[in-house]
Amino acid sequence: QVQLVESGGGLVKPGGSLRLSCAASGFTFSDYYMTWIRQAPGKGLEWVSYISSSGSTMYYPDSVKGRFTISRDNARNSLFLQMNSLRADDTAVYYCTGPVSTGYWGQGTLVTVSS
Amino acid sequence: EIVLTQSPGTLSLSPGKRATLSCRASQSVSSSYLAWYQQKPGQAPRLLIYGASSRATGIPDRFSGSGSGTDFTLTISRLEPEDFAVYYCQQYGSSPFTFGGGTKVEIK
Repeated sequence: QVQLVESGGGLVKPGGSLRLSCAASGFTFSDYYMTWIRQAPGKGLEWVSYISSSGSTMYYPDSVKGRFTISRDNARNSLFLQMNSLRADDTAVYYCTGPVSTGYWGQGTLVTVSS
Repeated sequence: EIVLTQSPGTLSLSPGKRATLSCRASQSVSSSYLAWYQQKPGQAPRLLIYGASSRATGIPDRFSGSGSGTDFTLTISRLEPEDFAVYYCQQYGSSPFTFGGGTKVEIK
């Protein structure tokens, strides 16, 4: 069955960096665009990045542009999110997701930015 | 950026009743790329509807989506106990792929 398993979350100080990973299985990863979506504690959902199936096109909202970088390794069925210059308001559960119509979501990994 | 406004913020209804949730966009959503999700505490969101009106795999037919352009609706025909949750809409037609603020459906 389809699985998306995130890892790499944890506690980091403001200004620090973190790299999230997502291991995909159960579907042809290289056929699909992928995204990262986050949810701050007690808050709503926020889309934070998109990458095309080939990895040639990426999109970001203004809130993370220039600080976050999405990438993928289709040979290893893996998705990544490099997060730099982290701020307290980046604290959230980060979800790895497939295309909207598939409904593929991981269970999330918690990132806490605090001194 | 397309801003999605969901209403009401909270909907208090009894099991068996009909629920109507609204999602209004600040500009037209291209090709009806509008999705609805359900989220329960401590869980990842679950896709209910995509393309404004297509039910996702395994979703009961009491859930239906409608609308186009800037006005979209999620209808739950008869609320079951497991339907009490928070519901989000998302547009994925143009970047940034924004979410609405959510509607909480609670037991009256």
